[in-house]
Amino acid sequence: GQNIDQPTEMTATERAIVQINCTYQTSGFNGLFWYQQHAGEAPTFLSYNVLDGLEEKGRFSSFLSRSKGYSYLLLKELQMKDSASYLCAVRSLSGGYNKLIFGAGTRLAVHP
Amino acid sequence: ETGVTQSPTHLIKTRGQQVTLRCSSQSGHNTVSWYQQALGQGPQFIFQYYREEENGRGNFPPRFSGLQFPNYSSELNVNALELDDSALYLCASSFWGTGEQFFGPGTRLTVL
Repeated sequence: GQNIDQPTEMTATERAIVQINCTYQTSGFNGLFWYQQHAGEAPTFLSYNVLDGLEEKGRFSSFLSRSKGYSYLLLKELQMKDSASYLCAVRSLSGGYNKLIFGAGTRLAVHP
Repeated sequence: ETGVTQSPTHLIKTRGQQVTLRCSSQSGHNTVSWYQQALGQGPQFIFQYYREEENGRGNFPPRFSGLQFPNYSSELNVNALELDDSALYLCASSFWGTGEQFFGPGTRLTVL
């Protein structure tokens, strides 16, 4: 079956660093995405990993280990506006097409 | 903003009714995917359209159907609405074969 696990909620303080983990068991793995979603809004793209290793983009970094079925999103120098849900999504190639399989999301609350 | 638009923004229907949701894809994109996102959950893949045909479907019953038009815009139709169909419906556009999907703002459907 297809399964993606991530923590339900996390809290952190401004200017701190937080790591959101994601483990997955999927068939046809073809890359992993992280999206940010503020309440009532659409998901917005943060990062994409298809090879093992770390991808850095400003305050956000994402890591992938395909052999372990594991990824994390690292957020540095947290700001209040980073309070949102963070969605881990695996791109799965099956039946000749790609689809995104999402985890339930991690709600991050950033406090002063 | 991604350039993907959806209409309407909000919709209230009663059980048993039918609904049509619309999506205009980002310029240059030829693939549209539809997702259902229940409150507190990650988006669930409904189906994907490419070249005006459905070429992939998630675990949703046949009363969920769709269309894609020559200009790549798309419709999602849901017949015989049930209370559990209340959710945020997201469409995402992409170029066939590439990874990133760009999400529209969503349609919030409430079934009473």
